[in-house]
Amino acid sequence: NAGVTQTPKFQVLKTGQSMTLQCAQDMNHNSMYWYRQDPGMGLRLIYYSASEGTTDKGEVPNGYNVSRLNKREFSLRLESAAPSQTSVYFCASSILGRETDTQYFGPGTRLTVL
Amino acid sequence: QKEVEQDPGPLSVPEGAIVSLNCTYSNSAFQYFMWYRQYSRKGPELLMYTYSSGNKEDGRFTAQVDKSSKYISLFIRDSQPSDSATYLCAMVDTGRRALTFGSGTRLQVQP
Repeated sequence: NAGVTQTPKFQVLKTGQSMTLQCAQDMNHNSMYWYRQDPGMGLRLIYYSASEGTTDKGEVPNGYNVSRLNKREFSLRLESAAPSQTSVYFCASSILGRETDTQYFGPGTRLTVL
Repeated sequence: QKEVEQDPGPLSVPEGAIVSLNCTYSNSAFQYFMWYRQYSRKGPELLMYTYSSGNKEDGRFTAQVDKSSKYISLFIRDSQPSDSATYLCAMVDTGRRALTFGSGTRLQVQP
């Protein structure tokens, strides 16, 4: 039981390049989330998926797209990376997405955009 | 102005000390309050949550919520070097279905 896994762990991109961050969970959770964490800003929600087949914007969605591939997997795509997207990205999941449901986080992807 | 304010620290204490970590917030709609612990280079993990004013205790940890003052605290008794981490408060506005995090306080417990 691995919980929430993320790939890659580290990535360096040049401005304008694209990439997809992968996330998978093996806890049979319905809801999944993408956050970014920046110094002094805490974690901010980019997108979330309340259930398979649905996605919604969070606080900072500009420059990102997401795909809920199936119940297990939720990917985050940067179409044209910018230095402002340098951050640590965390994927999380919760069983039903209710306010009181615990969110379980992955280990993060450290992204640098030059 | 941020909805949730948290002193970034670092807060350095000797082993065995009582630690007090705090957050203030401005949104009266926040109903659920949580504390996450994040070790270096790891994802956050839920430590405690509460949805009412008052105290909640779990072992060495006590979470306190004062909704009238919009102020929450986490107390750690008999702190250990293994408690060295960043502590993030988080809150839920039921209208948004999303967590709003504080920026985190880095705690160092010196042996």
